[in-house]
Amino acid sequence: GQNIDQPTEMTATEGAIVQINCTYQTSGFNGLFWYQQHAGEAPTFLSYNVLDGLEEKGRFSSFLSRSKGYSYLLLKELQMKDSASYLCAVLDSNYQLIWGAGTKLIIKP
Amino acid sequence: ETGVTQTPRHLVMGMTNKKSLKCEQHLGHNAMYWYKQSAKKPLELMFVYNFKEQTENNSVPSRFSPECPNSSHLFLHLHTLQPEDSALYLCASSQEPSGSYEQYFGPGTRLTVT
Repeated sequence: GQNIDQPTEMTATEGAIVQINCTYQTSGFNGLFWYQQHAGEAPTFLSYNVLDGLEEKGRFSSFLSRSKGYSYLLLKELQMKDSASYLCAVLDSNYQLIWGAGTKLIIKP
Repeated sequence: ETGVTQTPRHLVMGMTNKKSLKCEQHLGHNAMYWYKQSAKKPLELMFVYNFKEQTENNSVPSRFSPECPNSSHLFLHLHTLQPEDSALYLCASSQEPSGSYEQYFGPGTRLTVT
């Protein structure tokens, strides 16, 4: 079966750094997405990784290791508005998106 | 108006009711999707439409009936639902139906079946 694992919930402090991990077992791999979803709102696209390595986009970075079936989303200089759920999704060999259950990130002052 | 809009935002219905969810995208995309999002569970893809043609139905019960009259509008007709169908229903669109394209989501309809 296909599976995406990410922690259910994480807590971090304003101004700090947090790393949200995602591991996957899928039939093939054609890329990995991260989406952000604030409570009661639509998911919004954050990043797409298809090659190994780190992609930096402002305060957010996303890392991929295809050999390990592993990705992480790194959030720096945390702000209260970063409190949200972060969804990991993998594109399998049929170009179908397999979604994780999401990680709820709580930012404390 | 821009992006993806959904109406209604909240819906409470009895098991014998018939209702419809509406989605509209103003992005000129060719593909539209219906997802079900339940608490602490992964997004479940229900239906995919490409240029108004349904290209995917992920074993969704027949009490959910999609309709796509044109590439900008998508409906989900609901009838004789069960309490376990209570969830957030999200509509999304993308340039093409291939999953490699970024999807743009609407705010969702929070459905409660009583």
